[in-house]
Amino acid sequence: AQSVTQLDSQVPVFEEAPVELRCNYSSSVSVYLFWYVQYPNQGLQLLLKYLSGSTLVESINGFEAEFNKSQTSFHLRKPSVHISDTAEYFCAVSHTGGFKTIFGAGTRLFVKA
Amino acid sequence: DVKVTQSSRYLVKRTGEKVFLECVQDMDHENMFWYRQDPGLGLRLIYFSYDVKMKEKGDIPEGYSVSREKKERFSLILESASTNQTSMYLCASRDQEQAHTEAFFGQGTRLTVV
Repeated sequence: AQSVTQLDSQVPVFEEAPVELRCNYSSSVSVYLFWYVQYPNQGLQLLLKYLSGSTLVESINGFEAEFNKSQTSFHLRKPSVHISDTAEYFCAVSHTGGFKTIFGAGTRLFVKA
Repeated sequence: DVKVTQSSRYLVKRTGEKVFLECVQDMDHENMFWYRQDPGLGLRLIYFSYDVKMKEKGDIPEGYSVSREKKERFSLILESASTNQTSMYLCASRDQEQAHTEAFFGQGTRLTVV
């Protein structure tokens, strides 16, 4: 069975500081990995995804995540955060032929001035 | 742009009422999902549908049912609402033929059962 563990429920950070949101998964088959972001009072939207190939994937707004198969991790990083990055971030996993996407519990990122 | 529309942003219902949450998507997606979102628990799958009139239970189906009479519409039904069903409900759709693609979410319905 697949599962996703987000290791931090809340991450406070000052503006322009680096941040890492941690995600570990378990699966017996090959997976696709996703990070979604939820801004206040909105639905989720895709931030970035890993399907295959290069293990480092990037988003258009400066986030990146690295797929580490040996550690079964897909941590999300940004070298310098902005106030506008304040949101909840969800790591998710699905696999080929599967109907379901499994979500982690979410990490609330608070960016302080 | 893909659009997933949930009929209500906020609902307040009384215990014991029958509640309908409606979701419509405009991208001809085969897969549709209903999740509930609670603090500290993330998104939990209630039901999903992979085709018209087809449905599968998710992880927490108790107290809920669903209906998919048309491809674009997926309804979540609370047969007899209870206070422990107070939550944020999120609908999503995804293209079945491309399982690696993203799920598209509606804005959510915040349901309060009093």
